[in-house]
Amino acid sequence: KAGVTQTPRYLIKTRGQQVTLSCSPISGHRSVSWYQQTPGQGLQFLFEYFSETQRNKGNFPGRFSGRQFSNSRSEMNVSTLELGDSALYLCASSPRLAGGGTGELFFGEGSRLTVL
Amino acid sequence: AQKVTQAQTEISVVEKEDVTLDCVYETRDTTYYLFWYKQPPSGELVFLIRRNSFDEQNEISGRYSWNFQKSTSSFNFTITASQVVDSAVYFCALSEARYGGATNKLIFGTGTLLAVQP
Repeated sequence: KAGVTQTPRYLIKTRGQQVTLSCSPISGHRSVSWYQQTPGQGLQFLFEYFSETQRNKGNFPGRFSGRQFSNSRSEMNVSTLELGDSALYLCASSPRLAGGGTGELFFGEGSRLTVL
Repeated sequence: AQKVTQAQTEISVVEKEDVTLDCVYETRDTTYYLFWYKQPPSGELVFLIRRNSFDEQNEISGRYSWNFQKSTSSFNFTITASQVVDSAVYFCALSEARYGGATNKLIFGTGTLLAVQP
């Protein structure tokens, strides 16, 4: 069974630019969550999507957005990049049921974004 | 507010030693879920265990064991007879309960880097 696939794996951007990261969940998983990992703030929840709807959102500014497609693939976008957005962005999928979740997340290897 | 504290930043042990990773959590919820994840150098986090707040029974899985104590708000993780392959960052996490289950919004601790020397 293929795991969670994130693209691109590495990218470099400059301040003010925008970036789009992609995530393909494990086949059959309908929930996709995004996390930001930095040395200073650690692992922080960005948002979760289920059935193309945002179900949960972390405490990040509106520059961070996401969406999910009908095939459960997800993208996240960061606009007007700042130096502090440099991080490892992790996507995780879960066979979340329509009601509760499990918290058992299957993570990808991440997209490492460097903002210069 | 929910919070997870992993006071141990780094631990170094020699292979075959036992090692315990500490985790202390804070929450006002009566129902919640606790987790341990492992992050090897490749980067992807790997789920190890989930425990809900009503289940204080300790668990053993091979060389891994977990000790959940609500009285001290702790959920510690022990690796017995450590191996070099256990070297990784280990994260403890907490989630609230919703709709009869955990949510996928996890509050992570800062992680403990475990280095197992041969």
